[in-house]
Formats: sequence, structure tokens, C-alpha cells
Amino acid sequence: NAGVMQNPRHLVRRRGQEARLRCSPMKGHSHVYWYRQLPEEGLKFMVYLQKENIIDESGMPKERFSAEFPKEGPSILRIQQVVRGDSAAYFCASSQGLGGQPQHFGDGTRLSIL
Amino acid sequence: GESVGLHLPTLSVQEGDNSIINCAYSNSASDYFIWYKQESGKGPQFIIDIRSNMDKRQGQRVTVLLNKTVKHLSLQIAATQPGDSAVYFCAERDSGNTGKLIFGQGTTLQVKP
Repeated sequence: NAGVMQNPRHLVRRRGQEARLRCSPMKGHSHVYWYRQLPEEGLKFMVYLQKENIIDESGMPKERFSAEFPKEGPSILRIQQVVRGDSAAYFCASSQGLGGQPQHFGDGTRLSIL
Repeated sequence: GESVGLHLPTLSVQEGDNSIINCAYSNSASDYFIWYKQESGKGPQFIIDIRSNMDKRQGQRVTVLLNKTVKHLSLQIAATQPGDSAVYFCAERDSGNTGKLIFGQGTTLQVKP
């Protein structure tokens, strides 16, 4: 049973470039969450998606950030025109549903902005 | 506002001793709580969860206690091992309908051999 798969594990971008982070949920999971973690801090919610729908994007900056979870393929978190402050670890989690089922996390993408 | 916080940033225990990691939450409407373990360079790993209609839940070597009166959550690890060294996070599920988690800052557990 494969867990939540994220790639790339490490991503280096220069300011102004685009970053695309991918997440494949666990088999059978239709709920995907993205979180951001700064060093020495806990995870902060960004966005919650189900297949082809963004359900809650209240934690995601309005500018430059977007997310999708297409019918086929992984969920994508996209950051346009990256800035130094975007440097962080980005984690994806998936769950079967909302009814008290735990979210399982991938090992994250560590984004570094030069 | 809602917040989940941990009382101590670092806990150091001797191998073989029991560990207790504490967590306070502020939203009395929260109905589901999870403990995660995060090792360096990895994602949070699910340890144990508990619903608000329970006071205690046990797993393998771990026990979670929930005190709704004082909005306090604790994780007990029996016979702590070097492999337990990690950062531990408590998280509460947001009281809305999205299932998003609100994380505390984390407690670093150091196990001395």
C-alpha cells in the first residue's frame, strides 16, 4: 500500500520563477489537503480539495498561489513568481472522508528560493 | 481565535522511562484530535486519534487522554525508546465542515540512552 506520494522532494527556484508541487493521495482517498510548514513551526492549512473541486482555500494566499485536483492525475500546488518568503516545506495529506478519519501525510516538498 | 498549543517546546527523558507530552486547545467545539510524530526530513506520521466523546484511547505503547473540561490533551508514551525521538504535534479538526487540521507548535522529545 503506497502512502501519500509527493514530488519533487526538494525544489530550488529563483525569485520570479514558478514552482509546481505534486501530490498523489493514498489509494482510495478522495480528500486532499495542502499545508505549509516554516522551520521550527507547526503546519498551517492552505487548501482542501476533492476531485475537480476546491472546497476550502481559506489558508492559501490570494495572489500567486493556486491548487487543483483533476479527475485524473495528482493534485498540484502551483506558486507563480516565487519570492524568498515562499521558502518552506509543503506537505500534502489525504483522507478517505471527513468522519473522524485521520489525514495521512506525504514527506513533503522542500522549496528553496534563491 | 482558535489555537492549539503545547506546554513545553522540548522534553528530555531517559530511555525506558515514560513520556508525557501535553497540549492545550481553545475551541471547545472541536470534536476530533490527532497526535502526529515528525522525524527530521519527513512528513507527520499518524500516531493516535481520539474523538471528543471519549476520555482515553490506547494504542501500542501510546495513550491519549482528553480532558474537555480544561481543554487539554496529552500523549503518553510508555517505555520510551531512542526511536521515539522526534517532534510531536497535536492537531484538532476545525469545527467547520472541511476537516482541516489546526496544529500546535510541536514538542521535541529527546530520548537519552
